[in-house]
Amino acid sequence: GNSVTQMEGPVTLSEEAFLTINCTYTATGYPSLFWYVQYPGEGLQLLLKATKADDKGSNKGFEATYRKETTSFHLEKGSVQVSDSAVYFCALSSGGYQKVTFGTGTKLQVIP
Amino acid sequence: EAQVTQNPRYLITVTGKKLTVTCSQNMNHEYMSWYRQDPGLGLRQIYYSMNVEVTDKGDVPEGYKVSRKEKRNFPLILESPSPNQTSLYFCASRSNDRTYGYTFGSGTRLTVV
Repeated sequence: GNSVTQMEGPVTLSEEAFLTINCTYTATGYPSLFWYVQYPGEGLQLLLKATKADDKGSNKGFEATYRKETTSFHLEKGSVQVSDSAVYFCALSSGGYQKVTFGTGTKLQVIP
Repeated sequence: EAQVTQNPRYLITVTGKKLTVTCSQNMNHEYMSWYRQDPGLGLRQIYYSMNVEVTDKGDVPEGYKVSRKEKRNFPLILESPSPNQTSLYFCASRSNDRTYGYTFGSGTRLTVV
């Protein structure tokens, strides 16, 4: 079946540091890939997506590139802010029933 | 404003007392789903619905029921809650195009004592 593997957290960074959160996946066919963000006490929000190989999704300074050869969709941001502190989920959508499979989430804490 | 509305936000109940968590969306989405979020386990799908009167089991359906009589509503029913159903629950919706992401509700924190 499909699966998504994210790096273990928590990740603690100083403000303005470079962020990478690794995500790799296993899926049949050609999945769509997503990053969601969950701020404390809230539901998940779609952060960015990519629907085919080599696509780059971007939003709010975050980027991720759909790499089919390495089955990866790593999240990056050049300079994090305290307000980026949240839990980040990698996810994929694939198959006839369009099932969405989530990773276990990576907690990011940015300190001033 | 496009949104998914869940109620209640917080609920404490006793073992065996039937409860319903409501979910409503105003985006005319065909696809709706319920997830539970537990520490270390991420999000696990309970049930989903691809359209009115079409529902199917997700990964952890035991102890839950759903119905989809109208396109906008997708209630989650716990007929006899047990303590292992204590969790954070999310309703989500999207169009049937799998390239679109979900819109999530704000969550329902359920405690069963």
